[in-house]
Amino acid sequence: QSALTQPASVSGSPGQSITISCTGTSSDVGGYNYVSWYQQHPGKAPKLMIYDVSDRPSGVSNRFSGSKSGNTASLTISGLQAEDEADYYCSSYTSSSTRVFGGGTKLTVL
Amino acid sequence: QVQLVESGGGVVQPGRSLRLSCAASGFSFSYYGMHWVRQAPGKGLEWVSLMSSDGNNRYYADSVKGRFTISRDNSRNTLYLEMNSLRADDTAVYYCAKDGYCSGANCYPNHFHSWGQGTLVTVSS
Repeated sequence: QSALTQPASVSGSPGQSITISCTGTSSDVGGYNYVSWYQQHPGKAPKLMIYDVSDRPSGVSNRFSGSKSGNTASLTISGLQAEDEADYYCSSYTSSSTRVFGGGTKLTVL
Repeated sequence: QVQLVESGGGVVQPGRSLRLSCAASGFSFSYYGMHWVRQAPGKGLEWVSLMSSDGNNRYYADSVKGRFTISRDNSRNTLYLEMNSLRADDTAVYYCAKDGYCSGANCYPNHFHSWGQGTLVTVSS
């Protein structure tokens, strides 16, 4: 049950686009289309942003999009806004029917 | 709307036990798998355990296997986590989360669709 690999931090200016990667193995990210992404502001509970690799829950801005290639999933945020500054986590279903998270990425909006 | 309210956290000595509860409302609790996820202070999210909707299947992270037990009471719309042999590295905010969602006849599982506000467990002498 090794954690998925995410960059520790990314940054971008308002209006720009950023991408956060999430690398696993064929037993998790690469094997299933059950990758999801969560946004967490300090002191708050996580919030679902993307599920099933690229689907957005109702109420989530279409500036957030997800994709996957092989064992690596990605979250892209376009038109960066100050309110997007937060921690982001990916998660995947695994071949053991367990779940695994990435280590988290801190997004800074410059 | 979906509401998940955790309770039962507190300060406990190493080696002791604690039981967390998660009261659910706003959805058909018995239809959904339910998770526990924890977050140590200043650290990332860690998946802890999952119980299937009917209670027949339980899954655990290696870090808690043999020490923690997940259970549910569908008649009370409540999820539980019994934590035994607690260690300092179990110190964390514990969240319960609903697995996926259903819309009409279609269900979309295998993600954490809704989260509670969390309850803090501190293991310290």
